[in-house]
Amino acid sequence: NAGVTQTPKFQVLKTGQSMTLQCAQDMNHNSMYWYRQDPGMGLRLIYYSASEGTTDKGEVPNGYNVSRLNKREFSLRLESAAPSQTSVYFCASSGGTSNTEAFFGQGTRLTVV
Amino acid sequence: EDQVTQSPEALRLQEGESSSLNCSYTVSGLRGLFWYRQDPGKGPEFLFTLYSAGEEKEKERLKATLTKKESFLHITAPKPEDSATYLCAVPPDSSNTGKLIFGQGTTLQVKP
Repeated sequence: NAGVTQTPKFQVLKTGQSMTLQCAQDMNHNSMYWYRQDPGMGLRLIYYSASEGTTDKGEVPNGYNVSRLNKREFSLRLESAAPSQTSVYFCASSGGTSNTEAFFGQGTRLTVV
Repeated sequence: EDQVTQSPEALRLQEGESSSLNCSYTVSGLRGLFWYRQDPGKGPEFLFTLYSAGEEKEKERLKATLTKKESFLHITAPKPEDSATYLCAVPPDSSNTGKLIFGQGTTLQVKP
């Protein structure tokens, strides 16, 4: 039972480089989310997809784009990485209603130098 | 503005020393309060959902309670394996999308 799988686990980028973080879930969930976690800031929502074919901005979307490729996969792209995007990124999925719990991946630790 | 605040930021306990973690929230119409556990280098792992004031849920040495303004996570006779960061979260608005606002977390260390 894989749950939510993120790749890569670690990444170092130079300022200005681009990359895509991949996320896949095998729980047949409608909704998927990307959060970032920074010390003292808690988890903050970057983008979410309430259902296949839709995406919406969260609290901190600037500098990111997302693609809901299909029901299973939701990717996060950094077009031109900045040091401020150094963080731990978590993908999550849920049934999509406010009373259902979210399941999280193991995270991607990204450092932008 | 919807907000979640957790206290204390860090808590050190001796094995067997019971205590409580606090999560206060400000949302217009609570539709659930979620507790998660996060181990270092891992993603958050779901523990409990509470929906209405007065509700309680238990799992091993953990008991979560809910009032109209806050939730408590009571840890009874903790063991070193309970050491982790505990996060609470609430849905932020009336849209039914499963989004969550998280508190900053309480990092618990239990010493043998």
